[in-house]
Formats: sequence, structure tokens, C-alpha cells
Amino acid sequence: RKEVEQDPGPFNVPEGATVAFNCTYSNSASQSFFWYRQDCRKEPKLLMSVYSSGNEDGRFTAQLNRASQYISLLIRDSKLSDSATYLCVVRKAGTALIFGKGTTLSVSS
Amino acid sequence: EPEVTQTPSHQVTQMGQEVILRCVPISNHLYFYWYRQILGQKVEFLVSFYNNEISEKSEIFDDQFSVERPDGSNFTLKIRSTKLEDSAMYFCASSEGGGWGRQETQYFGPGTRLLVL
Repeated sequence: RKEVEQDPGPFNVPEGATVAFNCTYSNSASQSFFWYRQDCRKEPKLLMSVYSSGNEDGRFTAQLNRASQYISLLIRDSKLSDSATYLCVVRKAGTALIFGKGTTLSVSS
Repeated sequence: EPEVTQTPSHQVTQMGQEVILRCVPISNHLYFYWYRQILGQKVEFLVSFYNNEISEKSEIFDDQFSVERPDGSNFTLKIRSTKLEDSAMYFCASSEGGGWGRQETQYFGPGTRLLVL
């Protein structure tokens, strides 16, 4: 089983749509959880950390279910500029970040 | 806004040659990292570095790789004898701390695209 698994997509949605991405992780001892965003051939950029209680940042909402080892990201009112690959990222006991392969989102007008 | 910088942006080398990739982490950060991303693949952790020594490394980071902080600002990744499969984008990252919370956030540089021929 892969350490971090994501549906690769692509998700093709119109502007204004709501879209949800899911991610599962295999190591129950994982300690920190993140969503990063990566534009084509660019570096990963932190979108948001994910906390057990769930958290929201503007149009973005992240949820964590430790029992199911499941992380989600919800994007409301999609913008053209949201088109990117969304990376689910987990940190285990050390400092290394473990990345999923990413889910590609394409928002069209 | 402070950012991680990397040089060169692109490097082409012949198989068997040594390459050194350079990074300048964010100035008040104490933890430094190297990751790589083979084209079309996921980002993979190579090594983390703290207090002038390696704190963690992956299976990828074998004897062909080494890291160094030669001065107060630079952090380098050396590949001694490059192989075709070393062709990838190499990202440097840094964080304030290595623990939990805001301090652990890792900020990535723009990457060096390495092509081994």
C-alpha cells in the first residue's frame, strides 16, 4: 500500500464549482498533515496545514479523520487560478514529508 | 517575503560527472532539506539537516549523495557520480523548526532541473 494515496484526477470543473479531493495515508503514527499546491514545473507551496478539528482558510476547508486515516480538501467557488496539482502531504515521526502523487484540478470559464 | 533560492535553475551533465546543487535557505531557519521529483512522479524526500549534521535520510540518499553547509548561508547537495536515473527536479526546503506547529512548515525553493546524459 502506498504511504499517501490520492485520486490523480484530472478534475475538470467550471468556475464557481465546489470540488473535493480525498487522500488516505497508511501510517497511523503520522503526526502532521498538509495540503500543498504545485503549479506545472514549479515548487510545492503550502496551501494549508490540516488539524484534527478541521480548519478553513477562505474558500478552502480541510478535514482530518485519524481513525480512518483520511484527509480531505474542499474548494468552494473555484477560480481559474485554482488550476494546479494538489498534493496531500504527511509527516511521520521525523522531519521528512511524505507526498502523494497529487490530484490535478482544471478550472474552466 | 523571505524565500528559498536555488542555483542553477537548470544543469545538464554527463553520466559519471559530479554535480553540486546550491541553495540559500530562509535566513532564520534552522532545518534544511533536499527533495527530488522525477518527471511525472511524486516529490520524494532525500535528506534533512540540522545543526551541521544529517538528522534523517531516505533510502534514495546513498553514498553517492552528500550535503554540506559550507558557510552561514549556503546549503549544498553533491552527487558524486551522476547516473541517468538522477535526472530530476531537485528542491531545497527549509523550516524554522522540526517539531509540530507553524515552525515545522517547510518552504520550498524553485528547484534545479538536473538532466544527466
